[in-house]
Amino acid sequence: TQLLEQSPQFLSIQEGENLTVYCNSSSVFSSLQWYRQEPGEGPVLLVTVVTGGEVKKLKRLTFQFGDARKDSSLHITAAQPGDTGLYLCAGYKETSGSRLTFGEGTQLTVNP
Amino acid sequence: NAGVTQTPKFRVLKTGQSMTLLCAQDMNHEYMYWYRQDPGMGLRLIHYSVGEGTTAKGEVPDGYNVSRLKKQNFLLGLESAAPSQTSVYFCASSWRNEMWLRVAKNIQYFGAGTRLSVL
Repeated sequence: TQLLEQSPQFLSIQEGENLTVYCNSSSVFSSLQWYRQEPGEGPVLLVTVVTGGEVKKLKRLTFQFGDARKDSSLHITAAQPGDTGLYLCAGYKETSGSRLTFGEGTQLTVNP
Repeated sequence: NAGVTQTPKFRVLKTGQSMTLLCAQDMNHEYMYWYRQDPGMGLRLIHYSVGEGTTAKGEVPDGYNVSRLKKQNFLLGLESAAPSQTSVYFCASSWRNEMWLRVAKNIQYFGAGTRLSVL
């Protein structure tokens, strides 16, 4: 059973379009992280959200943590080909020690 | 400036062969992890370690063994490889410091991966 459900699984858009990726769970997390993975590389952390309702911005990327800390979203404004990659959300629970729970990932392709 | 280094980067095995994947980190992290990544399934935890000399099972441990003899190294072993173990394997590490656990919430640093094919 996947504790974190990401949607959509695949997304192909044109340069300049906006998009939103969702990460949903029935469980409450202490925090949620977003990673981006490029081909042939390991995931790299983009942001961590900790407080329910928190919004963080990273240039054209906006991350939001749900009020109940069960879900999160990643919104990209005016997508560029350099945004292409696999986006992974990962939830952390203090009761699970050092482990993270990863979503299945969203493969984003931005066409020029 | 290396971070987390995995060797080898690619490997092809025949069914029944054995091999060891090496992960080395130079950030003095206490925690280390081995994941496998398969299409549509995200990252699944195989085994992890919370310190030198300790290991624990993750979500999908069957068919794998690990050892953490030195703090900076975490080895993943396949004793008798099976086609179902064809995957991309990632090693990661993170701090243990309690302050960082509360503030950084277990940020993990990943290696570049090992692509393994078992024929």
